[in-house]
Amino acid sequence: QVQLQESGPGLVKPSQTLSLTCTVSGSSISSGGYYWSWIRQHPGKGLEWIGYIYYSGSTYYSPSLKSRITISVDTSKNQFSLKLSSVTAADTAVYYCARVLTSSSLDYWGQGTLVTVSS
Amino acid sequence: QPVLTQPPSSSASPGESARLTCTLPSDINVGTYNIYWYQQKPGSPPRYLLYYYSDSNKGQGSGVPSRFSGSKDASANAGILLISGLQSEDEADYYCMIWPSNAPGVVFGGGTKLTVL
Repeated sequence: QVQLQESGPGLVKPSQTLSLTCTVSGSSISSGGYYWSWIRQHPGKGLEWIGYIYYSGSTYYSPSLKSRITISVDTSKNQFSLKLSSVTAADTAVYYCARVLTSSSLDYWGQGTLVTVSS
Repeated sequence: QPVLTQPPSSSASPGESARLTCTLPSDINVGTYNIYWYQQKPGSPPRYLLYYYSDSNKGQGSGVPSRFSGSKDASANAGILLISGLQSEDEADYYCMIWPSNAPGVVFGGGTKLTVL
């Protein structure tokens, strides 16, 4: 069974870098065929795509966040990670990781992790 | 990035059908896109329901009941999620999604909160 689990600090100070990791089980990142994505949801709001990465390291980022995002992959640990720099209160959200069937559905999602940006 | 428009809320009674719409901007043709639908209940991640391109090109998510189905309204340039035989457990937020042809990544609609009265 495919499972994804987000991990990382739940509280980040303004201007610092938000760092999250998604650990995947039941599906090998290095096997290809899938993108691995980050999505966020501001409190009480809709879904916002952040970006995704392929096992080769190719990345695709949301144009609105591109200047602040880095997504990386560690196939040896079957993990992928998100770094979002220069955070503000507007980056407070639940962050989800998800598996993306290439140009198709986001078929498996993590449970999500709330990250609050506050001093 | 295109904006997908969904009504903020909808309601229907148990046993009835709910028709949720996802309207694409006028400069992109719904006929050329797969429309994906997700269900999200409070405190849970979104769940993939289905995609619809045409009656001959569609797919159901794993374990998703057949009473969830997709269609399109070309005249309205909209994707449609139809939920028949509504149950109380169908009360949730529903999001549509597309892969824009002219930009990386995906775009989500704003979501519709479905209330089962």
